Amino acid sequence: ETGVTQSPTHLIKTRGQQVTLRCSSQSGHNTVSWYQQALGQGPQFIFQYYREEENGRGNFPPRFSGLQFPNYSSELNVNALELDDSALYLCASSLAQGAGGETQYFGPGTRLLVL
Amino acid sequence: QKEVEQNSGPLSVPEGAIASLNCTYSDRGSQSFFWYRQYSGKSPELIMFIYSNGDKEDGRFTAQLNKASQYVSLLIRDSQPSDSATYLCAAADYNQGGKLIFGQGTELSVKP
Repeated sequence: ETGVTQSPTHLIKTRGQQVTLRCSSQSGHNTVSWYQQALGQGPQFIFQYYREEENGRGNFPPRFSGLQFPNYSSELNVNALELDDSALYLCASSLAQGAGGETQYFGPGTRLLVL
Repeated sequence: QKEVEQNSGPLSVPEGAIASLNCTYSDRGSQSFFWYRQYSGKSPELIMFIYSNGDKEDGRFTAQLNKASQYVSLLIRDSQPSDSATYLCAAADYNQGGKLIFGQGTELSVKP
């Protein structure tokens, strides 16, 4: 167990709806990264939050947005859901020490199905 | 486009054999590399990381890094059926806060 938790574990939504996924980072970690993993693919970076600020973003549209709270927990929000958003959403926490490349530990993920 | 490439497999080895998993990366600026194991329906679990050229051993696992060839590998000695999983190779992108760029993963099957 990594100490990273995510909720909910599973979610079913319909196209056009909005969804909020939550992540609690490992104790002592200050950075949260979000990834999307489609079936049979490696995880794709969505964005990273460090000290409540977005610290890098992957090739995802603006309808993917996020937040990080003072306790370093984080939310991923997706608006106007599309069928292709169906995937496993992974949160990873790490302790940023300025150099980058710190080890990231993954939570159990949220499996989203968009119908 | 920075990329990490892996053979998707499946790679099948008999129990007790050495499994060799390979990965290449395109960004010469990458400095940190990670191997994760992912069981079906589960999230990635860190096996080990490597920063320096050469070998790094941890129990039955050995990671190898060759920066000149932009090549990373993972050897699993004395493979067990419980090692059957998808193995993900990732490179850290220092220009984007250390985000991880993943390969598509190699499926390993260890036959009893």
